[in-house]
Amino acid sequence: GQQVMQIPQYQHVQEGEDFTTYCNSSTTLSNIQWYKQRPGGHPVFLIQLVKSGEVKKQKRLTFQFGEAKKNSSLHITATQTTDVGTYFCAGPNFGNEKLTFGTGTRLTIIP
Amino acid sequence: DGGITQSPKYLFRKEGQNVTLSCEQNLNHDAMYWYRQDPGQGLRLIYYSQIVNDFQKGDIAEGYSVSREKKESFPLTVTSAQKNPTAFYLCASSKRTSGRGETQYFGPGTRLLVL
Repeated sequence: GQQVMQIPQYQHVQEGEDFTTYCNSSTTLSNIQWYKQRPGGHPVFLIQLVKSGEVKKQKRLTFQFGEAKKNSSLHITATQTTDVGTYFCAGPNFGNEKLTFGTGTRLTIIP
Repeated sequence: DGGITQSPKYLFRKEGQNVTLSCEQNLNHDAMYWYRQDPGQGLRLIYYSQIVNDFQKGDIAEGYSVSREKKESFPLTVTSAQKNPTAFYLCASSKRTSGRGETQYFGPGTRLLVL
């Protein structure tokens, strides 16, 4: 079945440093979605990318969808303590509403 | 105020006991989902439903059961057959379109602990 992997699994950064997480799917995706889960909380939708090579920005966050639509990345510039949490990518299964979630990258910030 | 509610926030289960987790949404979404999350892990799909009175097994359905008698409600029962039920349970919903994976909206979750 479809697999979605993320690297790294954990990332510890000093506040102010940049952070990147990478997402790779075993199959071509019609779209890729990103979610953030704060410690003790629930996943919250951040963004959806649909087009090959698409790049979208949300303030300090930059999301990219690969040309082959099998990989994606999330880059955070100048991390802040509010960025702490686990970031998941998710891709749809063909023909139904299911999403396959990536393994997640847990970001911790050292003040 | 639109959204997804889950109750209870914390639930304790004794050995051999069935427990039911509630999930209600007022977003008028057709599809609903149940996920299990273990500490430090990702989301694993238990069951999902794309329409009332219909549901499908996810990746880890053994030891769980669901019903979808109303559009807004999708309760999950953790049966005694589930030998390791301690986990964080998340309910989600999404619009149903052409099968291209709509955005999912999550409830606050229920933490289940076995005594």
